[in-house]
Amino acid sequence: DAGVIQSPRHEVTEMGQEVTLRCKPISGHDYLFWYRQTMMRGLELLIYFNNNVPIDDSGMPEDRFSAKMPNASFSTLKIQPSEPRDSAVYFCASSSDSYEQYFGPGTRLTVT
Amino acid sequence: GDSVTQMEGPVTLSEEAFLTINCTYTATGYPSLFWYVQYPGEGLQLLLKATKADDKGSNKGFEATYRKETTSFHLEKGSVQVSDSAVYFCALSDPYGDTGGFKTIFGAGTRLFVKA
Repeated sequence: DAGVIQSPRHEVTEMGQEVTLRCKPISGHDYLFWYRQTMMRGLELLIYFNNNVPIDDSGMPEDRFSAKMPNASFSTLKIQPSEPRDSAVYFCASSSDSYEQYFGPGTRLTVT
Repeated sequence: GDSVTQMEGPVTLSEEAFLTINCTYTATGYPSLFWYVQYPGEGLQLLLKATKADDKGSNKGFEATYRKETTSFHLEKGSVQVSDSAVYFCALSDPYGDTGGFKTIFGAGTRLFVKA
């Protein structure tokens, strides 16, 4: 199995632009998670899905952030408009029922 | 609410030294406990886990025991190598509600440097 796939690996954009991060979970995993990692705040859970349905989005910082999972093999995290404080590494992870999470390599986002 | 507290780093050791990274937790239910490791430029990887009290998780020479009485899950390794240099995260997963949902809480991470 290829593991969790994220794209792009690096994204540099200007403040105010829309950013879309993509994730393909491991086949057969029912849960998908989006995290943000920064030096100041550590690893933060933004949102997670079960069977393509958002279960807990209490970690989404504000309305500029949105996430979708149109099918079992694809999810997006969108930031519109982006701000410099959104600069971070964004991780996608997937899991079956056993609570163990498998992380992707991350997308390093820089907003100038 | 649930929380995970782990020792602050960085921890710097010489090769072949003994490693302990402390982790304590608070939880309302009966959580599963995990240690994840993150190497530079990569995502987190599961290192070991324990699902109930007194379980010992082990992998690659690392081990941790689920201690319910002290709400702890300390990570240990008898002889570290340079290749063990990474950031280590303690985490818990606790089920909630009737929908099968669960909450995963990660500690702040402890950076380990191992010198040759």
